[in-house]
Amino acid sequence: AQSVTQLGSHVSVSEGALVLLRCNYSSSVPPYLFWYVQYPNQGLQLLLKYTSAATLVKGINGFEAEFKKSETSFHLTKPSAHMSDAAEYFCAVSASTTILTGGGNKLTFGTGTQLKVEL
Amino acid sequence: DAGITQSPRYKITETGRQVTLMCHQTWSHSYMFWYRQDLGHGLRLIYYSAAADITDKGEVPDGYVVSRSKTENFPLTLESATRSQTSVYFCASSESARTGDSYGYTFGSGTRLTVV
Repeated sequence: AQSVTQLGSHVSVSEGALVLLRCNYSSSVPPYLFWYVQYPNQGLQLLLKYTSAATLVKGINGFEAEFKKSETSFHLTKPSAHMSDAAEYFCAVSASTTILTGGGNKLTFGTGTQLKVEL
Repeated sequence: DAGITQSPRYKITETGRQVTLMCHQTWSHSYMFWYRQDLGHGLRLIYYSAAADITDKGEVPDGYVVSRSKTENFPLTLESATRSQTSVYFCASSESARTGDSYGYTFGSGTRLTVV
């Protein structure tokens, strides 16, 4: 079965500092990996996704993530935090071993990391 | 407007009442999903649908009923609401119909349900 673990339910950084949100996955086959962001009182928005084309994936709002197979990790980074980055971030995994009725993919989500950006 | 729409945004209901949360998407995506979001649990899949008239259980289906008579609509019904069903409910859709596809999900804005 596939799963993701997000280390740290809360992360606090200063404005302008590096953002690092950790995600480790478990999958017996090459996975697809996603990061979503949720702003207060809103749904989840796709930040970026890894689909095996390139290990370093760039997303919206200056975020990027690197797929490291040897470490089974897909950490999310941003060089310089902005106040508007304060939100909850979810890592998710999809693998061909977890098949839905109809043959489609299933996303399994982590429990989320709340990012706080301080002045 | 195109997209995925949930209604209502907020709902307060009493224990034992039936309540239906609506979800409508305009992309003709094959898959639709219902999740609940609770502190410490992240998102948990309640039910999903691969196409009209094809639905299946997720991780936490007890106490919920779904239907999908049309591709664009996927209502979620709480047959007899309980306080433990107080949560934020998200509907999502995906065009993927193939194993291992890289499509992500597109989410609605959520319904905040309080059962008193």
